[in-house]
Amino acid sequence: DIVMTQSPTSMSRSVGDRVTMNCKASQNVGSNVDWYQQKTGQSPKVLIYKASNRYTGVPDRFTGNGSGTDFTFTISNMQAEDLAVYYCMQSKSYPLTFGSGTKLEIK
Amino acid sequence: EVQLVESGGGLVQPGRSLKLSCAASGFTFSNYYMAWVRQAPTKGLEWVASISNGGTTTYYRDSVRGRFTFSRDNAKSTLYLQMDSLRSEDTATYYCTRVYSMGIQYYFDYWGQGVMVTVSS
Repeated sequence: DIVMTQSPTSMSRSVGDRVTMNCKASQNVGSNVDWYQQKTGQSPKVLIYKASNRYTGVPDRFTGNGSGTDFTFTISNMQAEDLAVYYCMQSKSYPLTFGSGTKLEIK
Repeated sequence: EVQLVESGGGLVQPGRSLKLSCAASGFTFSNYYMAWVRQAPTKGLEWVASISNGGTTTYYRDSVRGRFTFSRDNAKSTLYLQMDSLRSEDTATYYCTRVYSMGIQYYFDYWGQGVMVTVSS
């Protein structure tokens, strides 16, 4: 199975900050990584697919980059409503695997 | 509007069975792969199974293969997850998801609200 390792586990940032989190795959997954946001008490939502493509309606402050084994997810100009847990997922091969998540808190 | 509504969750004893359903609406159901993703209490997301649009091909994670059966009825726009020989580690919220699969793209673009399954004596 492909292991997706996310870092950091949690972070605390202020409104307006630039936030970057990482996801490392245990083997080459090409650009087959998606990023999901899950707010407390809600179902997850896709933000980024295929490493760097923003899903419909997602604000442009959310960006994704990377290929192969190393991926980053960035929120520029963080807003209070971005408080959530963010997960990466590889869709290169079954079983599909998620990272353990990065919890973003507001400082 | 795309809607996915799960049902059938509840409390069940270890070793017993439970069947989840997911009613889909707002899109041409038979055109899409579908999947189940689960989340144990206070834990992260875990893919469980996927099914092809015609229902002929299924994929499972190892820990549920042989115990869970994923099926669909395209005439009723409904998914089913038959869960047998349930274990305490199957306790989770189960989400029904639509798969956007076009060429080399693959992601979960719509999610249900989730249904809780608790396996406990």
